[in-house]
Amino acid sequence: GDSVTQMEGPVTLSEEAFLTINCTYTATGYPSLFWYVQYPGEGLQLLLKATKADDKGSNKGFEATYRKETTSFHLEKGSVQVSDSAVYFCALCRGSARQLTFGSGTQLTVLP
Amino acid sequence: KAGVTQTPRYLIKTRGQQVTLSCSPISGHRSVSWYQQTPGQGLQFLFEYFSETQRNKGNFPGRFSGRQFSNSRSEMNVSTLELGDSALYLCASSLVSGTRSYEQYFGPGTRLTVT
Repeated sequence: GDSVTQMEGPVTLSEEAFLTINCTYTATGYPSLFWYVQYPGEGLQLLLKATKADDKGSNKGFEATYRKETTSFHLEKGSVQVSDSAVYFCALCRGSARQLTFGSGTQLTVLP
Repeated sequence: KAGVTQTPRYLIKTRGQQVTLSCSPISGHRSVSWYQQTPGQGLQFLFEYFSETQRNKGNFPGRFSGRQFSNSRSEMNVSTLELGDSALYLCASSLVSGTRSYEQYFGPGTRLTVT
C-alpha cells in the first residue's frame, strides 16, 4: 500500500537557519504530493503541492520538488522564522481517490 | 470565502456513548473527507463522501460511520465509544470538477475526549 516516510523530529533551529525536512514515499503510479502545516490547536493548512514529476511547489518561502527517480519531496526554506514553528506533514494522494496518506509529521521549533 | 467549519470544537463523552460530529465544507466543494489524528497512530483516513455517497473508506471498525447531505454538509458518528477513540477528528473538503479532484482544505477539527 501507499506510505510516506518523514524524517524524525523534533527539529530545533535558530532564526534565519536553513531548513530541510526529508520526505520519501511509496506509491504506485504518479501520486500528487503535498506539504501541510499544523499550528498548535489548529487544523492542517496546505503549504504547497506538486502534481507531477519535476514540479516544484512553493509558498511563503518554502519549496519542495517532486523527484520521481528518488521518490522524494523534501521541504526546504532558506531562512526560517520563529513564526514557522509548527508540525509539518508530508502527504500523497493517488489519482482522484481524495484519500490522503500522511507521514508521521515533523515538529519544528525555531528559536529567536 | 468561508473555510471548512466543524462543530463542536470540543467534546467530552463517556465510554459506551455515541457521538455525532458535523462538518460544513467550503462553498462549492462537494467532496468531504474525515481523518482521525492521534499521537500514536498519526493521521488516518476514515472515509470520504461525494454527492451524498461514500466513495472511499479507511480501515476503521463499523462503529465509525458517516453521511453527507444534499448541501454537501457531512456528519460522522461514532457509536459505543472506547477510550481509544479519543482524538482530533479533522474534516477536509475539496473541489471536484469532472474527473479531476483538487487539493483538500481542512477544518480546525473536533477534539473528542472519551472518559
